Amino acid sequence: GESVGLHLPTLSVQEGDNSIINCAYSNSASDYFIWYKQESGKGPQFIIDIRSNMDKRQGQRVTVLLNKTVKHLSLQIAATQPGDSAVYFCAENRNSGYSTLTFGKGTMLLVSP
Amino acid sequence: EAQVTQNPRYLITVTGKKLTVTCSQNMNHEYMSWYRQDPGLGLRQIYYSMNVEVTDKGDVPEGYKVSRKEKRNFPLILESPSPNQTSLYFCASLGGDRGYFGPGTRLTVT
Repeated sequence: GESVGLHLPTLSVQEGDNSIINCAYSNSASDYFIWYKQESGKGPQFIIDIRSNMDKRQGQRVTVLLNKTVKHLSLQIAATQPGDSAVYFCAENRNSGYSTLTFGKGTMLLVSP
Repeated sequence: EAQVTQNPRYLITVTGKKLTVTCSQNMNHEYMSWYRQDPGLGLRQIYYSMNVEVTDKGDVPEGYKVSRKEKRNFPLILESPSPNQTSLYFCASLGGDRGYFGPGTRLTVT
């Protein structure tokens, strides 16, 4: 598949560990945030989202935390599995009259068996 | 099944030879967008379209054109490709603030 991970920050974990991926966003007016997972050779896939009126949202094995004070977003993956290995992007929707997504640079997660 | 399709998936071409990458979505979304992805630079928006016949430049529009004659299709046109346009391209369709991405088109310009 295509490599999109060159020069990316990398997080290496063991299978079963919890993973935390961090993201700083730029626009204090952004009101919606999304985490995407991109596996090699594929397009980004939606994982979980959160609106700016929330500070935490949980999904299946994933939790997103939002700290608007410091403009920081994190994705927590519980009991990380080898299939979680991918590049993870945060995106902010500035929603300034229309919807548009601005992406962070991404973090590569490597899970060892 | 909701999906965004792109064609071709892989393309090798020469400098100056016009090409079009097609994108189609079946979700009746008004908003569509093109991104390019380069190592270390993440996803950068090229052009977007808020509806039929409404398009606008993103962050890196130079060297690209788009059209939106019907809601489901949003082709990306490179009139005179250059080697710096070698990249991985993604079409996205936005519905409910969430982006749905196509599988990507790997373009190499020699």
